[in-house]
Amino acid sequence: GAVVSQHPSRVICKSGTSVKIECRSLDFQATTMFWYRQFPKQSLMLMATSNEGSKATYEQGVEKDKFLINHASLTLSTLTVTSAHPEDSSFYICSAVGVAGGPSYEQYFGPGTRLTVT
Amino acid sequence: SQQGEEDPQALSIQEGENATMNCSYKTSINNLQWYRQNSGRGLVHLILIRSNEREKHSGRLRVTLDTSKKSSSLLITASRAADTASYFCATDSGGSYIPTFGRGTSLIVHP
Repeated sequence: GAVVSQHPSRVICKSGTSVKIECRSLDFQATTMFWYRQFPKQSLMLMATSNEGSKATYEQGVEKDKFLINHASLTLSTLTVTSAHPEDSSFYICSAVGVAGGPSYEQYFGPGTRLTVT
Repeated sequence: SQQGEEDPQALSIQEGENATMNCSYKTSINNLQWYRQNSGRGLVHLILIRSNEREKHSGRLRVTLDTSKKSSSLLITASRAADTASYFCATDSGGSYIPTFGRGTSLIVHP
């Protein structure tokens, strides 16, 4: 089956620094990748939709200058949390949709990245 | 905003028992999907059911969809301790095929 990886799995950073999270589709090409944020015991909240070669589409309330998304290739999207604050601490999950995806496509999720900002 | 809402929020059962989780949603949907998430991990896709389908099976999983009541249920038969996880329903509607997730049901299966 399709595999999506995320790196790193856990990261601790100091307040004010920036952190980059990578999302890779390992055995398929992903035209679209999604970035979600999940707080403990809460649902997944869609942050942005990332399309290869174009600007990401951000959901309402998500600061695009704070959460920089780059989808430079069909197998890699990155999320950079800039000037991180403790309230950015969360579980970040990406998902990818394959090139052959169409209506009713299935998303393949990465294992998530636990970000802790001290 | 969230579309699906799972019920109950938490469920604790003994191994061998059946577990039933429900999902209600507000607007007409194209598809409804159920996902599983182990603690601190990503999501695993379980089943997708389309709006014109009423029931689907996959191994010990049975999903039903009642569009008139805007609800779906996930039944796990003969539960195992390894089924302990959070289960989410996700719906997509209109012209968007991006699923919206509910808050999930936390299932604990005691050995």
